[in-house]
Amino acid sequence: GEDVEQSLFLSVREGDSSVINCTYTDSSSTYLYWYKQEPGAGLQLLTYIFSNMDMKQDQRLTVLLNKKDKHLSLRIADTQTGDSAIYFCAEWPNSGGYNKLIFGAGTRLAVHP
Amino acid sequence: KAGVTQTPRYLIKTRGQQVTLSCSPISGHRSVSWYQQTPGQGLQFLFEYFSETQRNKGNFPGRFSGRQFSNSRSEMNVSTLELGDSALYLCASSFGENQETQYFGPGTRLLVL
Repeated sequence: GEDVEQSLFLSVREGDSSVINCTYTDSSSTYLYWYKQEPGAGLQLLTYIFSNMDMKQDQRLTVLLNKKDKHLSLRIADTQTGDSAIYFCAEWPNSGGYNKLIFGAGTRLAVHP
Repeated sequence: KAGVTQTPRYLIKTRGQQVTLSCSPISGHRSVSWYQQTPGQGLQFLFEYFSETQRNKGNFPGRFSGRQFSNSRSEMNVSTLELGDSALYLCASSFGENQETQYFGPGTRLLVL
């Protein structure tokens, strides 16, 4: 079935690293995504990783993919108050003829001084 | 290049009415998808269009419909509104025919009274 799971809440101190975790179900998913949503806004694409990669780094963001365990993580280095938002993990299932993203419930990141 | 635009941004309707939401994709993008976001259900896929054809539909009642025009702009319609239709409706566009990264608009927030 389709199910992407994330922890719901993460609190970190400003300047620390944040790690948001996600598990997905479709082993055939070719792309996995991280989106950010600030209050009252739409979804902002942060980064994505192709399934044949283990890691992708983009400035303060590092994505790690463990395909065997179907586990995806997003690390934000030097977390700032502006990083406070909801972060969604999403997969694009490659099976069943789908043309849609399957989202997790989102992880609310709270950054405190 | 301008991003995905959605109009209107906010809408208040009463039960039984109908509503039409509009989405203009990023220039050159031919695929448009619609998602509903609610606190209880999270992000749920509504439908996806490519070159004026609906390729995939989510598990929503027939009151929810959509279409895509030759310029790739898309509209979705909800008839006989119910209180539970109150949500943020997000449109996303992507470039091509196959799985592609989706870019989201700011959403239309619909409140049904």
